[in-house]
Amino acid sequence: DSGVTQTPKHLITATGQRVTLRCSPRSGDLSVYWYQQSLDQGLQFLIQYYNGEERAKGNILERFSAQQFPDLHSELNLSSLELGDSALYFCASSGHSSGLSYNEQFFGPGTRLTVL
Amino acid sequence: ELKVEQNPLFLSMQEGKNYTIYCNYSTTSDRLYWYRQDPGKSLESLFVLLSNGAVKQEGRLMASLDTKARLSTLHITAAVHDLSATYFCAHLTYGGSQGNLIFGKGTKLSVKP
Repeated sequence: DSGVTQTPKHLITATGQRVTLRCSPRSGDLSVYWYQQSLDQGLQFLIQYYNGEERAKGNILERFSAQQFPDLHSELNLSSLELGDSALYFCASSGHSSGLSYNEQFFGPGTRLTVL
Repeated sequence: ELKVEQNPLFLSMQEGKNYTIYCNYSTTSDRLYWYRQDPGKSLESLFVLLSNGAVKQEGRLMASLDTKARLSTLHITAAVHDLSATYFCAHLTYGGSQGNLIFGKGTKLSVKP
């Protein structure tokens, strides 16, 4: 158990809908990362937050957004869902020094999203 | 473009044999990570390699890092069935305040009796 929690474990929804995925980082970790894992794209970095602020953006679609709250949990919002958004979404957290990611990232169990 | 290339992508081994997975990366960052993923599960951190010449071993797995060649290897010694999984290497990008991981496509290892 990495100490990172994600809810829900599974999510089934229809095209055009909007969903919210939730992540709680390990105790003491200030940084949260979101990754998408799909068969065709592999593991892709979406976005990073550090202590409530966005720090880096990867291949995140405009239909997707995220935020990190004062208690450091994070939410990933996916809207206008398409079939191709079906994937495993992982959250990871790491400890930080001066806002840079020197430490290893610990991954949560993931949320499996199925868009029908 | 930041790239991490693993090979092979698929590896079928017999128990008791040795093999090496290779990971090439495209930037000069000196941080390289190895993860294991079982089907439908999360990623489990195996090794963190922080500098040139770093070598780490855990059980039948040994990882090394050559930053000059931009190459990391994961060596499997006397494979057993329990090692069957997908292994990812990941390279840490950083500059300013970034610190995300760029993953290889993964090596799916199947160890057969």
